[in-house]
Amino acid sequence: DGGITQSPKYLFRKEGQNVTLSCEQNLNHDAMYWYRQDPGQGLRLIYYSQIVNDFQKGDIAEGYSVSREKKESFPLTVTSAQKNPTAFYLCASISSGSAEQFFGPGTRLTVL
Amino acid sequence: GQQLNQSPQSMFIQEGEDVSMNCTSSSIFNTWLWYKQDPGEGPVLLIALYKAGELTSNGRLTAQFGITRKDSFLNISASIPSDVGIYFCAGQPLSSNYKLTFGKGTLLTVNP
Repeated sequence: DGGITQSPKYLFRKEGQNVTLSCEQNLNHDAMYWYRQDPGQGLRLIYYSQIVNDFQKGDIAEGYSVSREKKESFPLTVTSAQKNPTAFYLCASISSGSAEQFFGPGTRLTVL
Repeated sequence: GQQLNQSPQSMFIQEGEDVSMNCTSSSIFNTWLWYKQDPGEGPVLLIALYKAGELTSNGRLTAQFGITRKDSFLNISASIPSDVGIYFCAGQPLSSNYKLTFGKGTLLTVNP
């Protein structure tokens, strides 16, 4: 089945450690996105990538890094510089020319 | 950045009742999207609207793209318990082909 997968579903890390969240899509979509969701908040854009080997900062990029070496994959690294990393992280993708973003199931990161 | 005002923040209704929620903005949008998110899951696209004045249905759901292009509403008729969740509106601004702006969501609770 075509879709977006995120792994793992739940992730626990100690404060000060970097952690990488996986996002893979087999929809042949060109653009991919990372969002952060906190309780009672809307989705806030962290980074997005329109093509391979290119990405742009979103509204809250500080403390995060990404790479886009393959069309199918857009991993997000939450670095120790992120002051409050505990949140629900959502990956999305979109085909060229469309506005309809499709989301993965999310990863809940808890930093202890 | 651009913001969407989504209301109400939460609704408590009885099974069988109709529900209405809306999003407004001070800016014009090209596209309006409505998503539903179940707890701990990623948002799922319900309806996409592309033209001012457009009225689109998906089962018991009906959404409209406002004439001014600055608002949209979503109606759910004859609510059932599985309608419970958070409903998000999202708009694609004129200035961006790849980014969406999200509302903060409406939490819907349906009492059986």
